[in-house]
Amino acid sequence: LAKTTQPISMDSYEGQEVNITCSHNNIATNDYITWYQQFPSQGPRFIIQGYKTKVTNEVASLFIPADRKSSTLSLPRVSLSDTAVYYCLVGDYNQGGKLIFGQGTELSVKP
Amino acid sequence: GAVVSQHPSRVICKSGTSVKIECRSLDFQATTMFWYRQFPKQSLMLMATSNEGSKATYEQGVEKDKFLINHASLTLSTLTVTSAHPEDSSFYICSAIRAGGQETQYFGPGTRLLVL
Repeated sequence: LAKTTQPISMDSYEGQEVNITCSHNNIATNDYITWYQQFPSQGPRFIIQGYKTKVTNEVASLFIPADRKSSTLSLPRVSLSDTAVYYCLVGDYNQGGKLIFGQGTELSVKP
Repeated sequence: GAVVSQHPSRVICKSGTSVKIECRSLDFQATTMFWYRQFPKQSLMLMATSNEGSKATYEQGVEKDKFLINHASLTLSTLTVTSAHPEDSSFYICSAIRAGGQETQYFGPGTRLLVL
């Protein structure tokens, strides 16, 4: 399983765009990239998933360069409620879907 | 869609007793479920992979006789912490992958276990 590396923490202010970058140098051909959000004492919540290029949904965008060795989660106009831990995971769902969580990025949004 | 529930949400028990935690996929069938444990201020640690109709696969260092996993149906997996001790106190989270090729893990809300 490919290991991921993220910044331990980030600070932002309400209304700003936040970009969290994740490194996964050993990503395999069949691996997908998935981002989750976790609030204290809750299970992780799925944010977005992609394989290459750019993916966008109603809450975030995911940018994946051609070499796929990194990915960037972009949260537009964050609010206080976006304060959470964000996890980047890489896994091959064709091989059972096993995911190994890294340390995650603790995002703190200030007023 | 893709809702996963856990029961109970929190449990307090005495040392030496066994505790069962249920994980259900409410609106989809899950051939594979996963169990994680999370200590305060730490990341999720994968404990085991639960496959419907077969024995669970445990991660290195996780005692299979202490953490019994049963995945008897396509919508239910259970984790039983046997002879619980205070060091087993933790936040237990399950997740499920939708059967039929959906490539996303959906997580339950977690179960807080406190062993006195």
